[in-house]
Amino acid sequence: GDSVTQTEGLVTLTKGLPVMLNCTYQTTYSPFLFWYVQHLNEAPKLLLKSSTDNKRTEHQGFYATLHKSSSSFHLQKSSVQLSDSALYFCALRGGSFNKLTFGAGTRLAVCP
Amino acid sequence: GALVYQYPRRTICKSGTSMRMECQAVGFQATSVAWYRQSPQKTFELIALSTVNSAIKYEQNFTQEKFPISHPNLSFSSMTVLNAYLEDRGLYLCGARDGQGRTEVFFGKGTRLTVV
Repeated sequence: GDSVTQTEGLVTLTKGLPVMLNCTYQTTYSPFLFWYVQHLNEAPKLLLKSSTDNKRTEHQGFYATLHKSSSSFHLQKSSVQLSDSALYFCALRGGSFNKLTFGAGTRLAVCP
Repeated sequence: GALVYQYPRRTICKSGTSMRMECQAVGFQATSVAWYRQSPQKTFELIALSTVNSAIKYEQNFTQEKFPISHPNLSFSSMTVLNAYLEDRGLYLCGARDGQGRTEVFFGKGTRLTVV
């Protein structure tokens, strides 16, 4: 079945530094990848999505490029802010049009 | 905009009792609703996927007998946790999407279940 592997655990950074959160996936279907961000006591919200190979997608300073050759969709930002502290989930829509498979989540903590 | 209201936000139930949670879609037609559980220290596990006018599909390790789901129309879905025990604790999320070709899933804020 479908699976998603993310950078696990906690990533701690100082404000202003760049970040990359890894995401790789496995599916036998044509993949559609998503990044969701979940702030404390909030619902997960869509941050980025892509099904186009080698095309960079951007939103709110975050960007990611789907690389089908390496089955990756890493999330990056050039300069993190305090407000970026949250839980980030990479998700895959593979075989089922309606089903998302989530990675384990990566907690990003940004310090002053 | 599209929103999903989920309630209750938190609930505590005694071991062996049942509790029901509900999701209301606003601003779009919730053709498909997925219920997930986020257990402590774990990611989101899909419990079941419900599509209006189709049978509800449960994932392995989850059954209708334990997690009955109702999806009577395009704006509402509910799920009950029957005979809740300690291993059922966690954050339950509903995620809904419409049938108009849009790919985004809109999530409720979740129902946190504590079992005592």
